[in-house]
Amino acid sequence: GAVVSQHPSRVICKSGTSVKIECRSLDFQATTMFWYRQFPKKSLMLMATSNEGSKATYEQGVEKDKFLINHASLTLSTLTVTSAHPEDSSFYICSAPRTSGGRGNEQFFGPGTRLTVL
Amino acid sequence: RKEVEQDPGPFNVPEGATVAFNCTYSNSASQSFFWYRQDCRKEPKLLMSVYSSGNEDGRFTAQLNRASQYISLLIRDSKLSDSATYLCVVGRTGTASKLTFGTGTRLQVTL
Repeated sequence: GAVVSQHPSRVICKSGTSVKIECRSLDFQATTMFWYRQFPKKSLMLMATSNEGSKATYEQGVEKDKFLINHASLTLSTLTVTSAHPEDSSFYICSAPRTSGGRGNEQFFGPGTRLTVL
Repeated sequence: RKEVEQDPGPFNVPEGATVAFNCTYSNSASQSFFWYRQDCRKEPKLLMSVYSSGNEDGRFTAQLNRASQYISLLIRDSKLSDSATYLCVVGRTGTASKLTFGTGTRLQVTL
């Protein structure tokens, strides 16, 4: 079954609104979670690393004031797209690493959130 | 140069065929290597990790050449259900690593 959940799975909103996406690790704690964005026919691009108990670290070119990240607990990270514009329309995916026996740390991905800004 | 490069395909192969995907990475500090599979409009799912000695999981065989910074995936006896995009993924450290994704190679298996 799923080990990382995301909510909502799909959002359609008007330009200028803010959208919050939740990422939860199920049955395990994740002090670190990652947020990615994927445009159509493009690769996943890491946006930021969400750290429980400290500030998120953002990849170069990602505006921290635009994409607010809060790692509220050991099982929950949220990404808020503030004042969304059509160019923010994308597939947002989170992941969380979990130790998986012989596989070491495996990253599990949430099912993704498809954001469409009109 | 992209950090992880893959031929985007598509590779169209008949059922039962053997198909190979290649990938190169630019960061010699990379320490972990994976192949993920992504179905259309879905999240990526781990197919297999790639180890220096090469490893096999059923019909799938992965190879790593650190000297050439090259990773491969071989799929034998292709099934229709293998149709997907295969992502070459590289991580910098062994644990809780940041992952860098290739753009993926699309595979379409046909009857």
